[in-house]
Amino acid sequence: QVQLVQSGTEVKKPGASVKVSCKASGYTFTSYTMHWVRQAPGQTLEWMGWINAANDNTKYSQKFQGRVTFTSDTSVSTAYMELSSLTYEDTAMYYCARSQPSLPFDCWGQGTLVTVSS
Amino acid sequence: SYELTQPPSVSVSPGQTARITCSGDTLSKKYVYWYQQKSGQAPVLVIYEDSKRPSGIPETFSGSSSGTMATLTISGAQVEDEADYYCYSTDTSANHVFGGGTKLTVL
Repeated sequence: QVQLVQSGTEVKKPGASVKVSCKASGYTFTSYTMHWVRQAPGQTLEWMGWINAANDNTKYSQKFQGRVTFTSDTSVSTAYMELSSLTYEDTAMYYCARSQPSLPFDCWGQGTLVTVSS
Repeated sequence: SYELTQPPSVSVSPGQTARITCSGDTLSKKYVYWYQQKSGQAPVLVIYEDSKRPSGIPETFSGSSSGTMATLTISGAQVEDEADYYCYSTDTSANHVFGGGTKLTVL
């Protein structure tokens, strides 16, 4: 079955970077874009951007432009999200979610909790 | 920046119909999608392209859209339908936006 499995909980200090992975299985990895969405505690979902693993094209939300980088490794069907210059406001659950034009976010990873704490 | 507006909360008794609205300036031109998020879980797509149900989603879930407002309807809501519901759409610049979320209480 279609599955997205994310890496585990991270605790980082302010100013550090974090890299979260999302391993896909059960479908052709390059046939879908992979989006990243985060959710701060008690808050709504916030779209961060996407990567097309077929050609490495990316689009970033203006809010995160310059601070986030999406990459992918098709040999292991895995997408990565790296967020730099972390602040306390980056404490959130980070999700990957696959998309196709008519069915955005039809499958989600289980989420990776990133806590920024001194 | 583009915004989608939802009521913070909706409350119904078991068996009643719950309606959750989502308003946004470009909804007359763009599809709306709805996601259900139960406590401690990842979101699940329940309605796509305004009114279509993915496989596995009960017929009790339906969607509609008219003008700048979309509505998610849960017919005969049950306790297991308690969750946060988020609408989602895109703006004319291909930015992806979620609504603020609506907490559905069934009791």
